[in-house]
Amino acid sequence: AQKVTQAQTEISVVEKEDVTLDCVYETRDTTYYLFWYKQPPSGELVFLIRRNSFDEQNEISGRYSWNFQKSTSSFNFTITASQVVDSAVYFCALSKAAGNKLTFGGGTRVLVKP
Amino acid sequence: GAVVSQHPSRVICKSGTSVKIECRSLDFQATTMFWYRQFPKKSLMLMATSNEGSKATYEQGVEKDKFLINHASLTLSTLTVTSAHPEDSSFYICSAQHHTTNYGYTFGSGTRLTVV
Repeated sequence: AQKVTQAQTEISVVEKEDVTLDCVYETRDTTYYLFWYKQPPSGELVFLIRRNSFDEQNEISGRYSWNFQKSTSSFNFTITASQVVDSAVYFCALSKAAGNKLTFGGGTRVLVKP
Repeated sequence: GAVVSQHPSRVICKSGTSVKIECRSLDFQATTMFWYRQFPKKSLMLMATSNEGSKATYEQGVEKDKFLINHASLTLSTLTVTSAHPEDSSFYICSAQHHTTNYGYTFGSGTRLTVV
């Protein structure tokens, strides 16, 4: 069975602070995919990144960066210099194959105050 | 490309009535679609996997007679909440499998169902 744990339910920061969201996963599959999604108050899911289990390179996209540590089964997400528009719920998710069903973590609500 | 349109975005219905939610892939064919449910301030839980031309596969604990899923074409899947009750009030979101965009997933914008 697959499981995704996001231990932080809510994080509140002041604008321009960095914020790191933790994600720990469990799976018995050797091949799997990890995702991060952003869910703003409007409800839609915004795709942020996908990583497959064979690619442990960290990635940076603008103010976003991701740290994939297979040894600790973690896929953490950092927002640098946070902005008010970053306020949303962020979900980490796992699938055993591309296009397979997603198992979501509980989500972390990020509140960025001006 | 790879857009999924979900309608309605919001619906309020009376207890005992049925509500149909549509999920359409606009510019691609989706052999598989997924239906998720999200309670307020909670995570997304997979309800069922919808395969074109065959019966949906429901997750454990999801009542198939309560939540009817039909995937009659490669571009349309529907979720019908039958005999809705207030406890069915939730946010429902569909996802279509797509092999080139977002690495396999395109989500609809969701439907907020309120049963009064």
